[in-house]
Amino acid sequence: QKEVEQNSGPLSVPEGAIASLNCTYSDRGSQSFFWYRQYSGKSPELIMFIYSNGDKEDGRFTAQLNKASQYVSLLIRDSQPSDSATYLCAVKSSSASKIIFGSGTRLSIRP
Amino acid sequence: SAVISQKPSRDICQRGTSLTIQCQVDSQVTMMFWYRQQPGQSLTLIATANQGSEATYESGFVIDKFPISRPNLTFSTLTVSNMSPEDSSIYLCSAGAGMETQYFGPGTRLLVL
Repeated sequence: QKEVEQNSGPLSVPEGAIASLNCTYSDRGSQSFFWYRQYSGKSPELIMFIYSNGDKEDGRFTAQLNKASQYVSLLIRDSQPSDSATYLCAVKSSSASKIIFGSGTRLSIRP
Repeated sequence: SAVISQKPSRDICQRGTSLTIQCQVDSQVTMMFWYRQQPGQSLTLIATANQGSEATYESGFVIDKFPISRPNLTFSTLTVSNMSPEDSSIYLCSAGAGMETQYFGPGTRLLVL
C-alpha cells in the first residue's frame, strides 16, 4: 500500500465547475496535510495545509480532512483554465521530520 | 515566503562524472530537503540536509552517491556522483522554517549521456 495515494487522472472539469481532488494516506498518526500545485515544467508550489478535521477555505480553494477515514480532499470552486496543473497531496510523517508526496492528479479545465 | 534559487538550472553531463547542485535561500531556514522528480512522476525524497551534521538519507539513497553539505542555515549542496543515464532527472531543493512552510526551488534538470 502506498503511503499517499491519489488518482493520477487526468480529471477533466468544465470551466466554472467545482473540481474535486482526493487523497488517502496510510499513516494514522499523521497530523499535517498539504496540497501543492505543479504546472508543467515548473516546481511545486504550496496551496494549502490543514491540520484539523473539517474544512479549511482559502479563496476558491477548500481543503477537507477526515482523519478517521484517512482522507484529504481539495475542492476548487469556479475552476479556471489557469487551474490546469498537477495537484500533489502530501502528508507529514508521524515518525520523522519529512513530507511524503502522492503521485499527483492531473487536472484539466476545459473552456 | 522564502525565495530559493538553484544552480545550475540545467546541465548535460557525461557518464562517470559528478555534478554539484547548489541551493541558496534568501533567509535562514530550519529545514532543507533534496528531492528527485523523474519526468511525469512525483517527488522522491533523497535526504534531509542537516546544518552542521551529516544528512539523513532515505531508503535507496546513500552518501557515497549523493553527498550533501549544509554549512549554514541558508545554503546546501547536493552532488550526484559517478553519474549514469539513470540519474537523469530533475533535482529539487526545498526549504522552510517548518514543515508547514516548505517552498521549492526552480529545480535542476540533469541529463546524463
